[in-house]
Amino acid sequence: AQSVTQLDSQVPVFEEAPVELRCNYSSSVSVYLFWYVQYPNQGLQLLLKYLSGSTLVKGINGFEAEFNKSQTSFHLRKPSVHISDTAEYFCAVSEGTGNQFYFGTGTSLTVIP
Amino acid sequence: GAVVSQHPSWVICKSGTSVKIECRSLDFQATTMFWYRQFPKQSLMLMATSNEGSKATYEQGVEKDKFLINHASLTLSTLTVTSAHPEDSSFYICSARGGLRTGELFFGEGSRLTVL
Repeated sequence: AQSVTQLDSQVPVFEEAPVELRCNYSSSVSVYLFWYVQYPNQGLQLLLKYLSGSTLVKGINGFEAEFNKSQTSFHLRKPSVHISDTAEYFCAVSEGTGNQFYFGTGTSLTVIP
Repeated sequence: GAVVSQHPSWVICKSGTSVKIECRSLDFQATTMFWYRQFPKQSLMLMATSNEGSKATYEQGVEKDKFLINHASLTLSTLTVTSAHPEDSSFYICSARGGLRTGELFFGEGSRLTVL
């Protein structure tokens, strides 16, 4: 089974500053990688995904992530955050289209005005 | 895009009663649906996986008699919390995989259950 690690449980950052949320996974087999965002009392919304191809993936709301196979990482970045980015962010890994998703423990991003 | 809808969003019930939560895929056929439970400030805990027309597969430690899952059609799965107790209070989220983009999970809005 996969293990997904989000090292930072809470990340405070000032508005308009850059941010990076880290995600590492355990297995070296071919994987699909996802970042989801969750606003309070809501379900999860897909930010971006890596299935194949370019290792730099761009998503919604100005977020991007880079797949690094050698480091088994999929860190999420945004060059300039907004207040509205305050939310919980989850990294997820799947080993194929028909397989289970494994979620990290989540990173709470707080954007400070 | 693919939409998954959950109902109800909020439910409050008395201890000992049963509560049903519906999860619908609105614009695609969901061959597989997943039910998660989320405690405050924590990640999603997979409870069970259901495939249309067959029995759900429950994760270890999840009581199948307490959390009844039915996936009778390609667009509807239901979770029934039977004889609910206060410790069952939680945020329940469903997700669905299917349609053209089978690499992705589509999530419902979640259902907040409070058992008094």
